[in-house]
Amino acid sequence: GENVEQHPSTLSVQEGDSAVIKCTYSDSASNYFPWYKQELGKRPQLIIDIRSNVGEKKDQRIAVTLNKTAKHFSLHITETQPEDSAVYFCAAREAGGFKTIFGAGTRLFVKA
Amino acid sequence: DVKVTQSSRYLVKRTGEKVFLECVQDMDHENMFWYRQDPGLGLRLIYFSYDVKMKEKGDIPEGYSVSREKKERFSLILESASTNQTSMYLCASTFGGAVGTEAFFGQGTRLTVV
Repeated sequence: GENVEQHPSTLSVQEGDSAVIKCTYSDSASNYFPWYKQELGKRPQLIIDIRSNVGEKKDQRIAVTLNKTAKHFSLHITETQPEDSAVYFCAAREAGGFKTIFGAGTRLFVKA
Repeated sequence: DVKVTQSSRYLVKRTGEKVFLECVQDMDHENMFWYRQDPGLGLRLIYFSYDVKMKEKGDIPEGYSVSREKKERFSLILESASTNQTSMYLCASTFGGAVGTEAFFGQGTRLTVV
């Protein structure tokens, strides 16, 4: 089955700097890669996603890149703000199935 | 506003008790999921369902069962609660189909087994 590894587990940046979180997946047939943000005490919520037929997607300060050959995808947050502080999860959905497998999460701290 | 609602925010149960966690969604989603969330381990899939009365094991189904009698409701059952099942439990739902779509999560149930 699919396995998703996520790095780093903790990331601390200064406000205004960029943050990058990286994930690798094992099943080359996976075709959908969402990213979720979970603020303290709240439920995870989708912030951006990318499908296997696209290499990059942007939404304001957030971007995701996908390298299918290397089986890795990354989340990029530019001009970080204190409200970006949260736990971020990457995930991969198995092709032809229903399961979405999550990475272990990255706790991002943005220092003002 | 989409809604996935879990019946309890916090639960404390005794070892050996049978525990029911309920999840209801109002989006007419075909797929529903139960995850447990533990520090450093992310969200691990326990069970999922892609249709009424259908269920599939996830990665850590041992000690759990599920029930989906109606499309909007997905229940997680701990047959005999144990202390290693103390965790945060998250329910989620998605539209059906072959293409992946956004998962909507409930607010979570923090279960403590004593």
